[in-house]
Amino acid sequence: DTGVSQNPRHKITKRGQNVTFRCDPISEHNRLYWYRQTLGQGPEFLTYFQNEAQLEKSRLLSDRFSAERPKGSFSTLEIQRTEQGDSAMYLCASSPLPSGQEGYEQYFGPGTRLTVT
Amino acid sequence: SQKIEQNSEALNIQEGKTATLTCNYTNYSPAYLQWYRQDPGRGPVFLLLIRENEKEKRKERLKVTFDTTLKQSLFHITASQPADSATYLCALAGYSGAGSYQLTFGKGTKLSVIP
Repeated sequence: DTGVSQNPRHKITKRGQNVTFRCDPISEHNRLYWYRQTLGQGPEFLTYFQNEAQLEKSRLLSDRFSAERPKGSFSTLEIQRTEQGDSAMYLCASSPLPSGQEGYEQYFGPGTRLTVT
Repeated sequence: SQKIEQNSEALNIQEGKTATLTCNYTNYSPAYLQWYRQDPGRGPVFLLLIRENEKEKRKERLKVTFDTTLKQSLFHITASQPADSATYLCALAGYSGAGSYQLTFGKGTKLSVIP
């Protein structure tokens, strides 16, 4: 079990550029989540996939944000026309389908730290 | 609006003592509550889950309580060690209507265990 991986770990970009992040969940996990975390705050939910279907999106996810999970495996999060307010840590998490009392915890990756200059 | 408050931004405690962290919430009826640990520059790590119909859960030196009347959870680390120094996040799970429970996190409490 290699855990959840995210790439890149750090990204510096200029305002107005597009960026794309990748998340590879734990292989047997059906569910995948994206969060954003700024300094001194807890993670904020952005979006959720079950297999390849994007089932929920937060109001935080403006039209400039798009996420995909083709074939229900890895996921990408793209931010178009980045703004300085997009600077944050972007976290990906995965979880299995709950079964009985098990499967409710989320396993987080190390995050991608985005800096928009 | 829904609100989650963790008692303090930072808590300093002497090694060997019990650390108690508080999570209060308003305008929320969570199905369950989770506690995570987060080290600087890393993603959160799951520690414990407690359901709305449970009063207490234990795991090694960790104990969590859940009082839905007071709308409060307490997280205890007994015999604290410097290695326990980290930020601890409280997360409430509400059914999102999309087949999943959405987690809402508090801001976290930074615990420092002093040798």
